[in-house]
Amino acid sequence: AQTVTQSQPEMSVQEAETVTLSCTYDTSENNYYLFWYKQPPSRQMILVIRQEAYKQQNATENRFSVNFQKAAKSFSLKISDSQLGDTAMYFCAFMSGNQGGKLIFGQGTELSVKP
Amino acid sequence: DVKVTQSSRYLVKRTGEKVFLECVQDMDHENMFWYRQDPGLGLRLIYFSYDVKMKEKGDIPEGYSVSREKKERFSLILESASTNQTSMYLCASSFSGPGTDTQYFGPGTRLTVL
Repeated sequence: AQTVTQSQPEMSVQEAETVTLSCTYDTSENNYYLFWYKQPPSRQMILVIRQEAYKQQNATENRFSVNFQKAAKSFSLKISDSQLGDTAMYFCAFMSGNQGGKLIFGQGTELSVKP
Repeated sequence: DVKVTQSSRYLVKRTGEKVFLECVQDMDHENMFWYRQDPGLGLRLIYFSYDVKMKEKGDIPEGYSVSREKKERFSLILESASTNQTSMYLCASSFSGPGTDTQYFGPGTRLTVL
């Protein structure tokens, strides 16, 4: 069975600095997708970034980028120029390419951006 | 924009009551999902559905059932609520098919069972 592990329950960063959230996963499959979702306080969960396992190039979305290390089964999220609005719970998630849309989530990392 | 709505933001029920949580999406998504979110455990899949009247068990289906009579609506039912079902419940939906795997989430229902 696939598992996703986020080993940092809480993190904090100063506004305008860079922070990296860690995620590791376990799977025997070769075809899968990885995601980072963001859940701001009292607001809806939204997708931050998505990575297809067969793509070697790391995904980037504005200030958000990933470091995808397939062999190490690692998928970290880097947030550059952190803003107060980045304060949220961040979840790493895995989706098998063979199991039609089911997401397996990590435990979450609560990120606080301090002014 | 995709909109996923849930019938209540907060709900308080008594042990043994039958509880209905409703989820509606307006983007004609085939897939719908129910998760529960607990601190330190992340989100865990309860049930999901790929089509009307179809349902599949997720990782923690015990004590829950679901209903999908219409494509846009997916209901989670707690037949006899228990205190260990106190949690945040999140609904999500997505299209089927390659490249359409992003799930869109509702605002959540925080259920307290006394």
